Amino acid sequence: AQSVTQLGSHVSVSEGALVLLRCNYSSSVPPYLFWYVQYPNQGLQLLLKYTTGATLVKGINGFEAEFKKSETSFHLTKPSAHMSDAAEYFCAVSPSFYFGNEKLTFGTGTRLTIIP
Amino acid sequence: EAGVTQFPSHSVIEKGQTVTLRCDPISGHDNLYWYRRVMGKEIKFLLHFVKESKQDESGMPNNRFLAERTGGTYSTLKVQPAELEDSGVYFCASSPNRGRDTEAFFGQGTRLTVV
Repeated sequence: AQSVTQLGSHVSVSEGALVLLRCNYSSSVPPYLFWYVQYPNQGLQLLLKYTTGATLVKGINGFEAEFKKSETSFHLTKPSAHMSDAAEYFCAVSPSFYFGNEKLTFGTGTRLTIIP
Repeated sequence: EAGVTQFPSHSVIEKGQTVTLRCDPISGHDNLYWYRRVMGKEIKFLLHFVKESKQDESGMPNNRFLAERTGGTYSTLKVQPAELEDSGVYFCASSPNRGRDTEAFFGQGTRLTVV
C-alpha cells in the first residue's frame, strides 16, 4: 500500500522568496515519485519525477526536488518565487514495479500563493 | 499536437440522473486513466485502460460507475444513478506506453456537481 502526505494545504510566500512544499510518502516497494502542478482552469502538468539514479531532480520552471529515502521525503523547492508560480501542487507516488505512471497515489495538494 | 480533452468541462445534475463524461486521449496513446478528486481531498485512481481493455479497475467506487473505451480511442465514464457523493472533479490522463521515461498527460478535468 502507498500513501502521500503533503504538509500544509495552503502556503504563502513573498515574491523572490524560497518556495518549500513538503511531501512525505509511504511505500512498501521502491517508489517512483512525482510532483504535478495545476494552474487555474488547466489540467495537471508534470513538474518533475524521480525514478532511479540521482536523488536531486530538476524540473520545469526552476523547481527541483530531492528524494531522501531515510526520511521518506520528496520536498519541492524553488529558490526564488515568481508570481506565475501561484497554483496548486500535488505530490504523487507509484510503485516502481509498474514501470510507468499508472495508478498514481496523490497527496491532498498544496495551494501556493505568491505575495507581491 | 492536441492534448487530452475532456467533455463537458462542467456538469450539474440532480440526484438520480445519469451523466456521461467523455475523454479523448492524445492520439496514439494506448494507456488511458480516470481519476477523481472529491472536494478538498486527494486525487484518487479509478481505472486504467490499455487500448480497449480494462487493465485495472480497482478504484471504481461501486457499480453505478461504468467506464468504456470504444475501439481503444476515446473513453466514457457513466454514472447511473448519480448520488450527492459523486460530486467532484474527474480527470482523465493518457500515456503512450509503459516505461520508466513515460509520462501521463492529464486533461483539465470535468467538474461534476450532483444536487
